[in-house]
Amino acid sequence: AQKITQTQPGMFVQEKEAVTLDCTYDTSDQSYGLFWYKQPSSGEMIFLIYQGSYDEQNATEGRYSLNFQKARKSANLVISASQLGDSAMYFCAMNAFEYGNKLVFGAGTILRVKS
Amino acid sequence: EAGVAQSPRYKIIEKRQSVAFWCNPISGHATLYWYQQILGQGPKLLIQFQNNGVVDDSQLPKDRFSAERLKGVDSTLKIQPAKLEDSAVYLCASSLDVKGRTDTQYFGPGTRLTVL
Repeated sequence: AQKITQTQPGMFVQEKEAVTLDCTYDTSDQSYGLFWYKQPSSGEMIFLIYQGSYDEQNATEGRYSLNFQKARKSANLVISASQLGDSAMYFCAMNAFEYGNKLVFGAGTILRVKS
Repeated sequence: EAGVAQSPRYKIIEKRQSVAFWCNPISGHATLYWYQQILGQGPKLLIQFQNNGVVDDSQLPKDRFSAERLKGVDSTLKIQPAKLEDSAVYLCASSLDVKGRTDTQYFGPGTRLTVL
């Protein structure tokens, strides 16, 4: 079975500062993927970043980076230089090839960027 | 490249009525997913298709929900009859289906269903 835990229901960050959103996962699979999605109030789920379980380097996509610590089973999202448009719900998710690649999501973290 | 398309964006119905949602995946994506997202929760998979075959429908309430993907491209999800607890956002996603590795799913804008 797979499980994602996001322990921060809500976070505030000052504009232009960096913020870390926490995610821990549990799986017995050796091959899996970790994802972060952003969901603004409009409802669309926007793909941000992906980390494969065998990737040795932490993934980066523009202002987003994923702090992958395999031994601790954590996959935290770091957003640098926060912008007002970053205010949204953020979901951590994982899938595994052995389970047909279906995504298992955490409960989400609401991020609010203050000006 | 066009993204995942869904319609309608919003739907309000009364309980016991029926409703259908449509999804057109990204061109060339073999795998299509329907998720249900209840307010305040993460999405939950309802059904997964690979081409026009069902891969996983273990969490689909089959007494009232049905889904099809007849030609391996677009898909419809139907609820009949609807219950109050079906009020949710229904998200469609698609992925390329890369053999032997995990795959990124891209989501459509969702359909927000309200059952009164």
